[in-house]
This record gives sequence, structure tokens and C-alpha cells, in this order.
Amino acid sequence: DSGVTQTPKHLITATGQRVTLRCSPRSGDLSVYWYQQSLDQGLQFLIQYYNGEERAKGNILERFSAQQFPDLHSELNLSSLELGDSALYFCASSVVPTGYNEQFFGPGTRLTVL
Amino acid sequence: AQSVAQPEDQVNVAEGNPLTVKCTYSVSGNPYLFWYVQYPNRGLQFLLKYITGDNLVKGSYGFEAEFNKSQTSFHLKKPSALVSDSALYFCAVRDDNTGGFKTIFGAGTRLFVKA
Repeated sequence: DSGVTQTPKHLITATGQRVTLRCSPRSGDLSVYWYQQSLDQGLQFLIQYYNGEERAKGNILERFSAQQFPDLHSELNLSSLELGDSALYFCASSVVPTGYNEQFFGPGTRLTVL
Repeated sequence: AQSVAQPEDQVNVAEGNPLTVKCTYSVSGNPYLFWYVQYPNRGLQFLLKYITGDNLVKGSYGFEAEFNKSQTSFHLKKPSALVSDSALYFCAVRDDNTGGFKTIFGAGTRLFVKA
């Protein structure tokens, strides 16, 4: 158990809908990362937050947004969902975002868009 | 931009034999390299990292990795494979050229260890 929690574990929704994925980092970790894992794209970095502020952006679509709250939990919002958004979404955390520190991954949220 | 390549989609090994999972990297500046493992229906788990120092890095579950600057490689190794090592392995590199510090992951190598 990494200490990173993600809810929900599974999410099934329809095209055009909006969903929110939630992540709680390990105790003491200030930085949160979001990743998308799909069969055709592999593991793609989406976005990173540190102590409430956005620090790095990856291949995140404009339909997607995220934030980190004062209690350090983070939410990833996916809107106008398309079939291609079906994937595993992982949250990870680290103490600080220097890049030297390893990341601790949550169990993921499996999103299915029908 | 930084990148990593894992040239093998799959590696097959018999239990008890040594295993190697290959990774090559391309960076400008000092490389900061990582290996992670993903078991079925689980998140990634950190195995080991190279930041500086000794070229042979020891990590979790008996794994080690050899950093080779001249060959720009960071291969993952284990002297004696276990069936329970069967999983998806990712090599990763720190990317600090985009105003933040993000980690770039390779495509992954699936390891099958046969009893």
C-alpha cells in the first residue's frame, strides 16, 4: 500500500458527460501528479501540482482540468467525455517536486466511456 | 527534450535465470533515471533510481540497475528471476526543460518468468 488513495476505483459514464476523480496524497507529500494510462498511448503525464500551485503540464487536453486543495488532496475533472478518454487514471505523490524523488502511485481509477 | 526507450516489448525468462530489462535514455545535462514496476490492476511501484554516484544501483526485491554513461543505458537486472517478478516494468527519466519537473516514462516492458 503506497499511502496514496484514489476514488472511485471504477467509473462508467457516457460520451459528453463530466466526471471528477479524486486523489489524496501520502501523508507529508506536497506534490501531486496525474497520469493517464491507455493501451495505445502508454503512460502519459498530465499535470503536476505542488502545495496548491500548478508546476508542470504535460499532454493534458483542454477538456481536462485539475486542482490541488489546501488540504493537499487533488481532483481531476474530465468533461465532454469521448470514447478515447477511456483509460486508467493514476495519481502519484512525492515529498517535493524536484524530480529527484520517487513518486508513490495510487491504485488508479478505471474510466470507461460508453 | 529528455526521453527514454525500452527496446523490448516483452522479455521471457525461466525462473532461477538472470534477467535484464533494457532502457536507453537521451538527456541534455545530468540524467536522473528511475525504474518502476506495475503488477496487474495495481499502480506503479518505485524500484530504484540513479541520481549520482555509483554506477550500480541496488533497489527493492533484489533488483539492481547499471548506469552506463557512454552507452546512455540504464538496464534493470536481477541475478535470479522469480515467477512473482512477472509484471510490467517502466524506465523513466526526469525532464526539467519545460519549466517544471516532470517524469517521462518509457513504453514499458512486460516480463514473463516461467516456472
